Amino acid sequence: AQKITQTQPGMFVQEKEAVTLDCTYDTSDPSYGLFWYKQPSSGEMIFLIYQGSYDQQNATEGRYSLNFQKARKSANLVISASQLGDSAMYFCAMREGYRNSGNTPLVFGKGTRLSVIA
Amino acid sequence: NAGVTQTPKFQVLKTGQSMTLQCAQDMNHNSMYWYRQDPGMGLRLIYYSASEGTTDKGEVPNGYNVSRLNKREFSLRLESAAPSQTSVYFCASTAGVGLAKNIQYFGAGTRLSVL
Repeated sequence: AQKITQTQPGMFVQEKEAVTLDCTYDTSDPSYGLFWYKQPSSGEMIFLIYQGSYDQQNATEGRYSLNFQKARKSANLVISASQLGDSAMYFCAMREGYRNSGNTPLVFGKGTRLSVIA
Repeated sequence: NAGVTQTPKFQVLKTGQSMTLQCAQDMNHNSMYWYRQDPGMGLRLIYYSASEGTTDKGEVPNGYNVSRLNKREFSLRLESAAPSQTSVYFCASTAGVGLAKNIQYFGAGTRLSVL
């Protein structure tokens, strides 16, 4: 079973509008972290935002916020006031079991390609 | 700041050739990782090294070997390249052990084609 599911292969958004990128996850470990990365056409992987399973509040970083719904096992990325430079692939990722297993690797979803239209 | 440096950036191999992808980080990180990225598949873990002197298999280790040469360097070797290994390879590193917010920092990637 997939641990990270991103159901939207591609999305379009008008410039200056907000957009939500979906991510659901599957884990039985109570200790996990959720990450979002951006991959522009140049290919590099850029860290955007992080949410821990014990965090009480949703994470925010500038125009990025993470809508964390623990009971639904979802960690959607919200980008406010979209810009042309936001056009990229976006990956959701999870690290689980870090308390018992040390520095466990990230597991990635398949990504969502976001296109911002002027 | 250099961060995570991968070499080479591009490589073309013939089936059966061998090569080593190099990765070095200058952030004094404990853990290092090798991923491959294929269209529509996201990033899949090949091998990782939680700390110097240890390596573990990831999701897709077949056809690869790794060496954690020291704390800075983690190399990925293809002993006999196959067309199925055509991919973009990313090296990454993280700082601490057992921390929740352990951000993975990535290299720029190596684009490998096996003919």
